[in-house]
Amino acid sequence: AQSVAQPEDQVNVAEGNPLTVKCTYSVSGNPYLFWYVQYPNRGLQFLLKYITGDNLVKGSYGFEAEFNKSQTSFHLKKPSALVSDSALYFCAVRDPQDGGSQGNLIFGKGTKLSVKP
Amino acid sequence: DGGITQSPKYLFRKEGQNVTLSCEQNLNHDAMYWYRQDPGQGLRLIYYSQIVNDFQKGDIAEGYSVSREKKESFPLTVTSAQKNPTAFYLCASSRGNPIAYGYTFGSGTRLTVV
Repeated sequence: AQSVAQPEDQVNVAEGNPLTVKCTYSVSGNPYLFWYVQYPNRGLQFLLKYITGDNLVKGSYGFEAEFNKSQTSFHLKKPSALVSDSALYFCAVRDPQDGGSQGNLIFGKGTKLSVKP
Repeated sequence: DGGITQSPKYLFRKEGQNVTLSCEQNLNHDAMYWYRQDPGQGLRLIYYSQIVNDFQKGDIAEGYSVSREKKESFPLTVTSAQKNPTAFYLCASSRGNPIAYGYTFGSGTRLTVV
């Protein structure tokens, strides 16, 4: 069965410092991986995805993520954090070979990012 | 602009009442989903539908019902059987095929039992 884990409930970063939000996954085949961001009382917004190709994926708002197959990870990164990046971040995985889930996205529990000035 | 519209944004329900949350999309997406979000628990799948007139239970379907009579619409009814309905409800849609596409989310409905 596929699953995704976000080991940190909260990440605290000072503005201007690099940030990393961790995500690990477990699938039977080659994963499709996604990051979403949620601001308070809003829906989730798509940030970036990895389907195939270059392991470093660049997305919206200066975020990027690196797919690491050997470590089964897809950590979200940004070189210089902004206070406005403070939000809830969700990692999600899809296993195209998992017929049981019918291709549905499986979401992590979310990581709250807090960027202090 | 294409997107997903959820209404109302805030909803209050009395004990024992059924309420229906609306979700409409004009993206021509085949698949639609309902999630419940509680603090610290992430997103939990309630129901999903991959084609019109067909839907499947998710992980926490008890106390909820849905219909998919039109491609554009996927309303969720929270019935009186749902014992703890206070939560933030998110609707999403996706192209059914290929599944390399992610989801597009609505802005959510916050349901409170009073």
